[in-house]
Amino acid sequence: AQSVTQLDSHVSVSEGTPVLLRCNYSSSYSPSLFWYVQHPNKGLQLLLKYTSAATLVKGINGFEAEFKKSETSFHLTKPSAHMSDAAEYFCVVSSGNSGGSNYKLTFGKGTLLTVNP
Amino acid sequence: GAGVSQTPSNKVTEKGKYVELRCDPISGHTALYWYRQSLGQGPEFLIYFQGTGAADDSGLPNDRFFAVRPEGSVSTLKIQRTERGDSAVYLCASSPQVGRGETQYFGPGTRLLVL
Repeated sequence: AQSVTQLDSHVSVSEGTPVLLRCNYSSSYSPSLFWYVQHPNKGLQLLLKYTSAATLVKGINGFEAEFKKSETSFHLTKPSAHMSDAAEYFCVVSSGNSGGSNYKLTFGKGTLLTVNP
Repeated sequence: GAGVSQTPSNKVTEKGKYVELRCDPISGHTALYWYRQSLGQGPEFLIYFQGTGAADDSGLPNDRFFAVRPEGSVSTLKIQRTERGDSAVYLCASSPQVGRGETQYFGPGTRLLVL
């Protein structure tokens, strides 16, 4: 079984300040973890993913996330927010045994990021 | 190159009617997935195709929902006797293959409203 908890439904920051979007996961097997972003009336876009290599993962647009197994966390950060970062962000887990089921993505409920000028 | 496309982008229907939602995956992608996103929620898995066959349909909510992918490319999600609770955004995704950490590429979705 796998699940994701996004700890904040809404995060508001000022432009130029750091962004932190929190995510905890639960997985029976070694997980793959993703962050996707969804802009209004646009499709989901992959920001970054962790599969089992480096625990600090760098993504597009200056975002990064750190996989912490001991804390079962995969928080998303960005040093300086830009107005264009305003969107809905989803933390996603995919896991399964060696025989399969690692195609099934389980999404969190999402965190709405607003960026104030 | 072209991404995943979905048609129609919006669909309004009446309770009890039949609807079909179409997905065109990225060319060459063997795996195709359908998800449903209700208002204020994250997407939920419905069904997964590897080639022409449905490898996992465990997420389909009931037997009113059915999906096909007859030639291993385009897929159609079919909903019979629609109910108001079926109103949601239906998302399609594709990936080159299935494997650990494989990225799924999403289409823009079809917004279904059942009146």
